[in-house]
Amino acid sequence: ETGVTQTPRHLVMGMTNKKSLKCEQHLGHNAMYWYKQSAKKPLELMFVYNFKEQTENNSVPSRFSPECPNSSHLFLHLHTLQPEDSALYLCASSQDAKGGNTIYFGEGSWLTVV
Amino acid sequence: EDQVTQSPEALRLQEGESSSLNCSYTVSGLRGLFWYRQDPGKGPEFLFTLYSAGEEKEKERLKATLTKKESFLHITAPKPEDSATYLCAVVGNDMRFGAGTRLTVKP
Repeated sequence: ETGVTQTPRHLVMGMTNKKSLKCEQHLGHNAMYWYKQSAKKPLELMFVYNFKEQTENNSVPSRFSPECPNSSHLFLHLHTLQPEDSALYLCASSQDAKGGNTIYFGEGSWLTVV
Repeated sequence: EDQVTQSPEALRLQEGESSSLNCSYTVSGLRGLFWYRQDPGKGPEFLFTLYSAGEEKEKERLKATLTKKESFLHITAPKPEDSATYLCAVVGNDMRFGAGTRLTVKP
């Protein structure tokens, strides 16, 4: 079992659907992250939660809505997405959101918007 | 603004042919430089953290080094299973990732 688990691994959704991505970390960390990875582009930070509080929203469109009920779980709620939102969505965690801590990633959720 | 540039974009090696990947950075107040390995369809796997110029870390065939302007990931006698994309990330005011180097090792 990996330290950071993401479900589902693959998701295909229409532009009018509502779906959610789930992430769970088993490392005892206090910070969790959502990243977006598109082909041939650097990883893009979307959201940061530190001790369950959102500390960063990197100008992400409101059709992406994060939720962090506790330090071990993170969700990304998706609604009315666009085809250009198709990408690999990576969840990650670290000891806390202080710079310099190692960030550990999950295997990612492949999202295709049709 | 903090910047990270990785080169080359892609590298093809024969098995056993040693080489180096480069990560150049511009950051105000480096708080850490990270190397990750990413296999197709998977999340990045942590390899190394370097914190100060002159620091070196090794793991099997990989060795990471750091100067004030760049980091190198040296691969000694690579094997086909070393084929992957290698990502560099720096932490200054925030964390920034490079676009990666796609390494292919042919048997």
